[in-house]
Amino acid sequence: NAGVTQTPKFRVLKTGQSMTLLCAQDMNHEYMYWYRQDPGMGLRLIHYSVGEGTTAKGEVPDGYNVSRLKKQNFLLGLESAAPSQTSVYFCASSYLAQETQYFGPGTRLLVL
Amino acid sequence: DAKTTQPTSMDCAEGRAANLPCNHSTISGNEYVYWYRQIHSQGPQYIIHGLKNNETNEMASLIITEDRKSSTLILPHATLRDTAVYYCIVRVSNSGGSNYKLTFGKGTLLTVNP
Repeated sequence: NAGVTQTPKFRVLKTGQSMTLLCAQDMNHEYMYWYRQDPGMGLRLIHYSVGEGTTAKGEVPDGYNVSRLKKQNFLLGLESAAPSQTSVYFCASSYLAQETQYFGPGTRLLVL
Repeated sequence: DAKTTQPTSMDCAEGRAANLPCNHSTISGNEYVYWYRQIHSQGPQYIIHGLKNNETNEMASLIITEDRKSSTLILPHATLRDTAVYYCIVRVSNSGGSNYKLTFGKGTLLTVNP
């Protein structure tokens, strides 16, 4: 039981490039979340999903897109990366809304 | 979700108990107290949560005052690997809720010293 995993662990992008971050969970959780963490800002919710095939916007969704084609996977896409998207990205999952969220190890993204 | 107040930092000697306080004076009756921690460069790790009774698991104990306005997380025998930022979070916890995000404050940096 690996819990929540994230791929890649670290990535450097140039402004305007695109990339996809992958989150996978093997706990059969319905809910999945993408957060970003910046110094002094705490964790902020980007997008979330309440089940396979569904997605919804969080606090800071601009510049990101997500997809949940399979229950166990939640993808976060950056279509045209900007330096302001330099951050550490964490994925989390929970069995139901309001239940305990379990986090992945994070992806460090640097946009030059 | 109710606001929480935690000390910015604390020190603890290795092998001793670490007691981390949290004030949540505006907590509502249906709000749980959650504790997470984040070791440097890692994802937040769930520790424990409770409503009004004291709770214990393999990682820690959670003591909630009778009026529920404050709580204490206890790590019974702190090790160097327990050095981390500890977050106290208060939130509604029921399957009918719709507040999905976890609100992490600044937390308490616990430094365990050899």
